[in-house]
Amino acid sequence: KQEVTQIPAALSVPEGENLVLNCSFTDSAIYNLQWFRQDPGKGLTSLLLIQSSQREQTSGRLNASLDKSSGRSTLYIAASQPGDSATYLCAVSDDYKLSFGAGTTVTVRA
Amino acid sequence: NAGVTQTPKFQVLKTGQSMTLQCAQDMNHNSMYWYRQDPGMGLRLIYYSASEGTTDKGEVPNGYNVSRLNKREFSLRLESAAPSQTSVYFCASKSREYSNQPQHFGDGTRLSIL
Repeated sequence: KQEVTQIPAALSVPEGENLVLNCSFTDSAIYNLQWFRQDPGKGLTSLLLIQSSQREQTSGRLNASLDKSSGRSTLYIAASQPGDSATYLCAVSDDYKLSFGAGTTVTVRA
Repeated sequence: NAGVTQTPKFQVLKTGQSMTLQCAQDMNHNSMYWYRQDPGMGLRLIYYSASEGTTDKGEVPNGYNVSRLNKREFSLRLESAAPSQTSVYFCASKSREYSNQPQHFGDGTRLSIL
């Protein structure tokens, strides 16, 4: 069974600092890995999807890397802003099923 | 630009009552999913439908049933609600299986069972 772990569970940083969020998974036979953002009381918004053959994906200030062999992914958010405050979820996909981590809750202090 | 719409947004039930959570998507997606999210845990898959006319169990199907009414709609039914089913329920859709496309999520239904 795929286990997905996100450490730390919570993170507080001053505005402007770079954020580094970690995700680890136990089974390297994945189809893709996704990073989501969840705002309080809302659903999940897809941020980045990395295919199993890719090493990284970038979108604006966000960059996600994937190391399948070691079972790890890292989400980098450059120059954080208060609007980046949210919970960030990592999920890995096999053929149909997404397995989620519990998330990292980020607070960016103005 | 609705995407995935879930109704109701909030619901309080008594133990033993039944109810159906509704989900509809307007993106012409083939695959649809139901998840539950509990504090401190990631989302867990309850049931999914890879295409119209098919449904399959996920990780935590006990106590739930689903219906893929048509391509747009996928409902989740609690026949006899239990306090352990208090959770936030999310519906999601995706263009098709075996595709590197993201799942799109609704805003969730917050369900409390007393």
